[in-house]
Amino acid sequence: GAVVSQHPSWVICKSGTSVKIECRSLDFQATTMFWYRQFPKQSLMLMATSNEGSKATYEQGVEKDKFLINHASLTLSTLTVTSAHPEDSSFYICSAREFLGGSLSTDTQYFGPGTRLTVL
Amino acid sequence: GDSVTQMEGPVTLSEEAFLTINCTYTATGYPSLFWYVQYPGEGLQLLLKATKADDKGSNKGFEATYRKETTSFHLEKGSVQVSDSAVYFCALTITTDSWGKLQFGAGTQVVVTP
Repeated sequence: GAVVSQHPSWVICKSGTSVKIECRSLDFQATTMFWYRQFPKQSLMLMATSNEGSKATYEQGVEKDKFLINHASLTLSTLTVTSAHPEDSSFYICSAREFLGGSLSTDTQYFGPGTRLTVL
Repeated sequence: GDSVTQMEGPVTLSEEAFLTINCTYTATGYPSLFWYVQYPGEGLQLLLKATKADDKGSNKGFEATYRKETTSFHLEKGSVQVSDSAVYFCALTITTDSWGKLQFGAGTQVVVTP
């Protein structure tokens, strides 16, 4: 099945520093990737939609200058949390959309294992 | 807008019991429906999906049928194991979005005891 990886799986950083999280689709090309944030015992909150070669589309209330997204290739999207603060501590999950038309029609999101960010 | 409602948890069962998690949806068009499972400390794994009415998705003993008349996609498993303890999310593709965004339910925690 389709596999999505995330790196790192966990990171601890000091307040004011920036952290980059990578999301890769390992065995398929993804023109669209999504970034989510999940708080304990809650559902996923969509932060932004990342399209290869274009600017990300952010959901309402998400600061685009704080959460920088770059979708550099069909298999890689990165999320950079800039000037991180303790309130940015969370579980960040990416997903990659596998979309095939025609006789192989499929449209499914596959998720990465998540990145636990702790800001001290 | 499109939305998903699933039963609140936690659902606590004994091993080998029958599991049902209810999921209903509202949508302006014809969404695809999904069940994802999340084990502690991990991301989401696709459990099963259905793309049109009356489709049945199945995987690892879990089943769900896309019921357009009742706008439901209930998840069932005939005999659960301790390893099925996880949080289960029902989701649909937002029909008005061209990028394939998903709308998730709140999640249902399932706890299976030996």
